[in-house]
Amino acid sequence: GAGVSQSPSNKVTEKGKDVELRCDPISGHTALYWYRQSLGQGLEFLIYFQGNSAPDKSGLPSDRFSAERTGGSVSTLTIQRTQQEDSAVYLCASSLAGTSVNNEQFFGPGTRLTVL
Amino acid sequence: GENVEQHPSTLSVQEGDSAVIKCTYSDSASNYFPWYKQELGKGPQLIIDIRSNVGEKKDQRIAVTLNKTAKHFSLHITETQPEDSAVYFCAATRTGANSKLTFGKGITLSVRP
Repeated sequence: GAGVSQSPSNKVTEKGKDVELRCDPISGHTALYWYRQSLGQGLEFLIYFQGNSAPDKSGLPSDRFSAERTGGSVSTLTIQRTQQEDSAVYLCASSLAGTSVNNEQFFGPGTRLTVL
Repeated sequence: GENVEQHPSTLSVQEGDSAVIKCTYSDSASNYFPWYKQELGKGPQLIIDIRSNVGEKKDQRIAVTLNKTAKHFSLHITETQPEDSAVYFCAATRTGANSKLTFGKGITLSVRP
């Protein structure tokens, strides 16, 4: 079946511009996560959506970052007034959350963002 | 919150040898420990996981061990092959409705042919 998809796969932007990154999770997955992976670094948690609950935004690095999840499915991560340090791969994952049995996260291929 | 440490950052082994990757965690309440493999240009993929009610789990050439007392867990890969070359991430969490994983920084495994 279809996995997690992300678009675009690559994005090059100029400093100061806004960007939107899209994530389509696996159908039926109620949990959706955004991570940032900088060169040679691990997975930095950004934000977590679970069903209709208020999102966990504790990982967002600044107020320039925001995310929405419409209709419990597609999510958009928006970065306003991009800075060079925002350059990274942005990964989205989804899982069948709400259970204590299986927390496996299925990752998309990521969006590589380059801020010039 | 949870803190997961993963050392070293790189590991090189000869094809056919075994590789062991170690992680430590800080939250004694964590009870779920997955390992993810990330190949170049792709997102991470779950390869094996372990829960705190067992000490070891095997799946063909890979195994994971857990020491709850010492708060560390390890990934063991036997008979390594070039296709095992990738970045491996460990993670930890308490399971539950609002749980989220805390990942280590990853280790780059290189298998020399």
